[in-house]
Amino acid sequence: NAGVTQTPKFQVLKTGQSMTLQCAQDMNHNSMYWYRQDPGMGLRLIYYSASEGTTDKGEVPNGYNVSRLNKREFSLRLESAAPSQTSVYFCASSERSAGRPSTDTQYFGPGTRLTVL
Amino acid sequence: EDQVTQSPEALRLQEGESSSLNCSYTVSGLRGLFWYRQDPGKGPEFLFTLYSAGEEKEKERLKATLTKKESFLHITAPKPEDSATYLCAVLMNTGFQKLVFGTGTRLLVSP
Repeated sequence: NAGVTQTPKFQVLKTGQSMTLQCAQDMNHNSMYWYRQDPGMGLRLIYYSASEGTTDKGEVPNGYNVSRLNKREFSLRLESAAPSQTSVYFCASSERSAGRPSTDTQYFGPGTRLTVL
Repeated sequence: EDQVTQSPEALRLQEGESSSLNCSYTVSGLRGLFWYRQDPGKGPEFLFTLYSAGEEKEKERLKATLTKKESFLHITAPKPEDSATYLCAVLMNTGFQKLVFGTGTRLLVSP
């Protein structure tokens, strides 16, 4: 099992450019998440998908869009990148079965380091 | 406001010198508390989940404990390979059950 994979690993954009960050998981998990990590701040939730076919905003959704393409894949799109979006982006997934707290654990990918000039 | 605070921000230990990391939380309904390890340039790696006060979990040199207001990660006789940032996160029992992260403790273990 590869777990959670993310592409690309690194990306440099100019202000106003667009790009899509890709995430895939092979654990048959129901829920998927996108976080950003900035120095001095905890991981912050951007968007999540509780199950295939649903997406919802997290704590910091402005400037981002997401697509849950199928059960395995969850992409994050920056339509018009801004320097404030310079960050490390992590995708995560969890099984999340109702009534089973042990399935709440989120497993993280290796991250995408994005710089917006 | 839901909040997770970790202390200290950074900790330097000599190899074999045991210590504890703290994670205190104020949230409206705890569903679970998670500890992760993060190495530089990598994603968080899951260590433990604790669900109720009094619960303890162990893995090699690490032991996590939980009370009603805080959790401790005890590191016994650490080795240089234990050097990493340790993240605490709380899963709340409201709405979608959002995971709230602390800012982490950077641990450096010197030989």
